[in-house]
Amino acid sequence: DVKVTQSSRYLVKRTGEKVFLECVQDMDHENMFWYRQDPGLGLRLIYFSYDVKMKEKGDIPEGYSVSREKKERFSLILESASTNQTSMYLCASSSLTGDRGAYEQYFGPGTRLTVT
Amino acid sequence: GQNIDQPTEMTATEGAIVQINCTYQTSGFNGLFWYQQHAGEAPTFLSYNVLDGLEEKGRFSSFLSRSKGYSYLLLKELQMKDSASYLCAVRDSRGRGSTLGRLYFGRGTQLTVWP
Repeated sequence: DVKVTQSSRYLVKRTGEKVFLECVQDMDHENMFWYRQDPGLGLRLIYFSYDVKMKEKGDIPEGYSVSREKKERFSLILESASTNQTSMYLCASSSLTGDRGAYEQYFGPGTRLTVT
Repeated sequence: GQNIDQPTEMTATEGAIVQINCTYQTSGFNGLFWYQQHAGEAPTFLSYNVLDGLEEKGRFSSFLSRSKGYSYLLLKELQMKDSASYLCAVRDSRGRGSTLGRLYFGRGTQLTVWP
């Protein structure tokens, strides 16, 4: 069973703080993704990674950075949190192989971040 | 660019059949996914279509027409537990991340099942 875990379910931070969101997967997946999900806007991709130390910007990378030092772990960093970064953050992973090449993404439970 | 469109909300009654449509416009196409997401939970994979036609999996079926840029998710014998958001996602065959399994998601359809 694929398992993707995230460090916190709920997090409250102050404006200007540096925030770390951690994601760990246990299926040796090559690809990992960070999304944010907001009502009416759906899932938006922030960053993704296809290998250790490799990263690619998604659609909304501004204000975020990422780190992937080990294959199983992908961290999202908010350098200076702002109120407009209050959101649900979802991590996902996928393999380069899969049933019929599906490469479906497996999601973690999410972290609801509130910035005050 | 990529544009994926699905209705915002739908309602149905227990035992009924509901069809959730998804239309997409992408620069390339390499598969369409449906995910289910209950409130406060992570999305979970439901189905995958890469060829035209219907894929059936128990009470759920998914259909794809590549020439029309169209898919639907069909839910039969609806149960209260089917109340959830249903996400349509497309893997583009071109562009940055296309070979890496990147998906483009629609905004989701919130389905409410009434008793």
